[in-house]
Amino acid sequence: DAGVIQSPRHEVTEMGQEVTLRCKPISGHDYLFWYRQTMMRGLELLIYFNNNVPIDDSGMPEDRFSAKMPNASFSTLKIQPSEPRDSAVYFCASSFGRNEQFFGPGTRLTVL
Amino acid sequence: KQEVTQIPAALSVPEGENLVLNCSFTDSAIYNLQWFRQDPGKGLTSLLLIQSSQREQTSGRLNASLDKSSGRSTLYIAASQPGDSATYLCAVPNLFSGGYNKLIFGAGTRLAVHP
Repeated sequence: DAGVIQSPRHEVTEMGQEVTLRCKPISGHDYLFWYRQTMMRGLELLIYFNNNVPIDDSGMPEDRFSAKMPNASFSTLKIQPSEPRDSAVYFCASSFGRNEQFFGPGTRLTVL
Repeated sequence: KQEVTQIPAALSVPEGENLVLNCSFTDSAIYNLQWFRQDPGKGLTSLLLIQSSQREQTSGRLNASLDKSSGRSTLYIAASQPGDSATYLCAVPNLFSGGYNKLIFGAGTRLAVHP
């Protein structure tokens, strides 16, 4: 299995631009998670899906952030408009049921 | 509110030492506890998951123990190697908000094993 796949691995953009991060979970997993990691706040859960349905988006910082999961093999996290404080590493993870979560390699986002 | 603390924040040891990383959590009503490893600039790699009904879980040179009543878990690394150098994080589900899958992470222990 290829594991969780994320793209792009690095993204540099200017303030105000739209950013879209992509994730392909492990085949057969029914949960998908989006996390953000910063030096100041560590790892934070932004949103998670079960069977493509958003279950808890209480971690989404602002309305500028949105996430979708149109099918079992694809999810996006969108930031519009982006701001410098959104600079972080964004991780996608997936799991089967209440079992281990497996993380992707992350997308390092820099907003100038 | 569940909080997860890891001590020490950083550790530097010579190769070959056996070492213990600590993780404590404030609410003992956990469903499971997961240990991860993160290499610089990389994602998290799951090392071990201990269910609340278990006391120990082993994988190779790694052994994780869980004491729910005292709110503690330890990760024991035997015969450390330079390749073990990484940040180790523990995480528990945030059952306060009804989330069996909502993990709360500790800040991690940054381990350096020098030859």
